[in-house]
Amino acid sequence: DAKTTQPPSMDCAEGRAANLPCNHSTISGNEYVYWYRQIHSQGPQYIIHGLKNNETNEMASLIITEDRKSSTLILPHATLRDTAVYYCIAPAGNNRKLIWGLGTSLAVNP
Amino acid sequence: DTAVSQTPKYLVTQMGNDKSIKCEQNLGHDTMYWYKQDSKKFLKIMFSYNNKELIINETVPNRFSPKSPDKAHLNLHINSLELGDSAVYFCASSQGQGSHSEQFFGPGTRLTVL
Repeated sequence: DAKTTQPPSMDCAEGRAANLPCNHSTISGNEYVYWYRQIHSQGPQYIIHGLKNNETNEMASLIITEDRKSSTLILPHATLRDTAVYYCIAPAGNNRKLIWGLGTSLAVNP
Repeated sequence: DTAVSQTPKYLVTQMGNDKSIKCEQNLGHDTMYWYKQDSKKFLKIMFSYNNKELIINETVPNRFSPKSPDKAHLNLHINSLELGDSAVYFCASSQGQGSHSEQFFGPGTRLTVL
């Protein structure tokens, strides 16, 4: 089963890039890494996922190291509305369910 | 248009009561989930249904019984509510079975057991 490790909290200035790291050193070769976020009092929201290659969408970019043991989620121009808990997740078990940790609480400051 | 909806949003009830939470998705997805988020903010999967069939059933007391009348609905019935059941319950859906599929979450139901 893949487990992920993230810093409990981070700060970022509004307008700057937010780089959120995640370690997943036990991830196996065919397991994707997923990123979700949860804004206070709302349901989690999907951001992006990747396997080996770097990925980019309208919300963020995902940089995955060549050995796949870690990844970084990049919010290129953070806004106050990006203040949330960010979860880095990898599926686990025979039924491939997502294992959620406590994530990183990102505070975007004006 | 709401993609995944849950009712009620808030539920306050006494210990020992039986209650239900309803979930509906209008995304045409074939897989639905129930998650529990406790006071420490851990989000844990409870159940998953694919095309009305149970595919994930975590170690959850049998007081919790999911019911899927059709692909678009997954309801959660809880018997004999206990204090420890107080949490936020999230419903989610995905196209395909979870691991390689983006999950869409509902707004959550905050259950408080007194």
